[in-house]
Amino acid sequence: QKEVEQDPGPLSVPEGAIVSLNCTYSNSAFQYFMWYRQYSRKGPELLMYTYSSGNKEDGRFTAQVDKSSKYISLFIRDSQPSDSATYLCAMKPPARQLTFGSGTQLTVLP
Amino acid sequence: DTEVTQTPKHLVMGMTNKKSLKCEQHMGHRAMYWYKQKAKKPPELMFVYSYEKLSINESVPSRFSPECPNSSLLNLHLHALQPEDSALYLCASSQDQGGRAMSDEQFFGPGTRLTVL
Repeated sequence: QKEVEQDPGPLSVPEGAIVSLNCTYSNSAFQYFMWYRQYSRKGPELLMYTYSSGNKEDGRFTAQVDKSSKYISLFIRDSQPSDSATYLCAMKPPARQLTFGSGTQLTVLP
Repeated sequence: DTEVTQTPKHLVMGMTNKKSLKCEQHMGHRAMYWYKQKAKKPPELMFVYSYEKLSINESVPSRFSPECPNSSLLNLHLHALQPEDSALYLCASSQDQGGRAMSDEQFFGPGTRLTVL
């Protein structure tokens, strides 16, 4: 079993839809949770960084962490074609290295 | 400035060539990383430098040789690579690896797309 599981998609939604991206994990030592967006043939761009359980909002993006369920989510409101990318969840214990999910490929159709 | 720069953007090399990838950051970060990413896969950690010292080598073949000349620069020297080494090579940096919240937030560069013929 992988430490981090992420549905690879692909996921296609119409413009304006609410998108929900999810990861589950098995390592209870994970405390820092990140979401990266990666456009085709580019490096990952850090979107959201959260520590422990709770919600964090930044514009159209909301990250949720539920440590009791070992489940994290990224919501994108009013999705735009420019949001079309691969979204990678990543997480780590303190002073250890990142473990990435496999990435979800999202396409927002105009 | 939250930018990590990498050169070159693209590199094509033969199996007998020697080449180097370069990475630079001016955020004052003291931890720097090399990752390898194959198509439709997540990044795989190769090396970590912390305060200019190699702290992690994820059992990477010796044909990849990292170097950290100073706190802003990270190089990856390549020699006698194989076609299966073709991938996107990503550099990242973070404030440090102290384990405090936000201190190990990693910022990635755009990558070097390497093709080995």
